[in-house]
Amino acid sequence: AQSVSQHNHHVILSEAASLELGCNYSYGGTVNLFWYVQYPGQHLQLLLKYFSGDPLVKGIKGFEAEFIKSKFSFNLRKPSVQWSDTAEYFCAVNAAAAGNKLTFGGGTRVLVKP
Amino acid sequence: EAGVAQSPRYKIIEKRQSVAFWCNPISGHATLYWYQQILGQGPKLLIQFQNNGVVDDSQLPKDRFSAERLKGVDSTLKIQPAKLEDSAVYLCASSPLTGAPNEKLFFGSGTQLSVL
Repeated sequence: AQSVSQHNHHVILSEAASLELGCNYSYGGTVNLFWYVQYPGQHLQLLLKYFSGDPLVKGIKGFEAEFIKSKFSFNLRKPSVQWSDTAEYFCAVNAAAAGNKLTFGGGTRVLVKP
Repeated sequence: EAGVAQSPRYKIIEKRQSVAFWCNPISGHATLYWYQQILGQGPKLLIQFQNNGVVDDSQLPKDRFSAERLKGVDSTLKIQPAKLEDSAVYLCASSPLTGAPNEKLFFGSGTQLSVL
């Protein structure tokens, strides 16, 4: 089945460490790619999105993601995390091949130790 | 700007009972979505409305779930009768335009349903 996969369910790291969260999807054709974040006790909110142009996308709070079409990937990165980045991160894909339904990955819980 | 409002925040029911969730999207947002998020999984789309018409309900279990969006504003999602596997967080989201593929969604805080 076509899907969105996030490689890690849980990530634990210390402040100032670098973060990279993997996301792969299996849809061909045109895709729109998103990373959403849910901080503890808060609602899901958009971190960044890609739909065309420069495959390196910069979002809020120092996050960036790179779309690599040949690898069907849209990995999220941050060079130096802070304790406040503790959250659950969801990759999501809106693909024409999937009827333009926004399909989410299973999420990655990130814990940043102070 | 007020966000997407959902109520109740929590609901506990026994299996075979009925339950309803309410959502008030951001003012002026044309498109409204209901998602189901089971523990440990990402949100799954149940139904999408554009104004008061259904755009996509292909993943809505229609034998027990129903949803409506009267007058293109508020929406309710109902489960009747509930099953144990319906335990999840039910998220409402809205977007300003016509549900274009690259649109940002604004999410509510969700209703956490526990079916015992």
